[in-house]
Amino acid sequence: NAGVTQTPKFQVLKTGQSMTLQCAQDMNHNSMYWYRQDPGMGLRLIYYSASEGTTDKGEVPNGYNVSRLNKREFSLRLESAAPSQTSVYFCASSLQGAGTEAFFGQGTRLTVV
Amino acid sequence: GENVEQHPSTLSVQEGDSAVIKCTYSDSASNYFPWYKQELGKGPQLIIDIRSNVGEKKDQRIAVTLNKTAKHFSLHITETQPEDSAVYFCAAGSGQNFVFGPGTRLSVLP
Repeated sequence: NAGVTQTPKFQVLKTGQSMTLQCAQDMNHNSMYWYRQDPGMGLRLIYYSASEGTTDKGEVPNGYNVSRLNKREFSLRLESAAPSQTSVYFCASSLQGAGTEAFFGQGTRLTVV
Repeated sequence: GENVEQHPSTLSVQEGDSAVIKCTYSDSASNYFPWYKQELGKGPQLIIDIRSNVGEKKDQRIAVTLNKTAKHFSLHITETQPEDSAVYFCAAGSGQNFVFGPGTRLSVLP
């Protein structure tokens, strides 16, 4: 049972490049989330998906897009990376929204130069 | 929307002492309050949670208390050990979203 798997673990991008962060969960969870973690700011929600086929903006969605490909997979895309997007990105999933435990992936450390 | 504050931002205790971390939230609709521990280079992991219909919950050396009226909840760790050193996050959950506090870096000194 792998839980939540994120790829890649590390990435360096040049300003203006694009990339997609992949996330997959094997717990049959309905809800999935993308957070970014910056020093002293905790975890801030970028986008979430309450169920397959739905996505909604979180606190800091600008510069990002997401796709809930199926129940297992939820990807985050940076279309034109900026230095302000340098951060650690975490994918999480929960069985049913914010009343149930969220399980986190190991994170992706992204640096935009 | 929900806003979660967390104090202190850093906390150092001697091994064997107790540690207390406090959080406040703003949205009275929040009904689920988890605490996460994050070790270096890893994702956050749930250590204990409490729901709004419960005032206190304990799991071995860890306990959480909730005061709905005052909109605050606290994490208590007793008999701290070096392996308790980590960053701890509180969160408030309502509907589909969790809102996290900024985190507390706990250092347990041998």
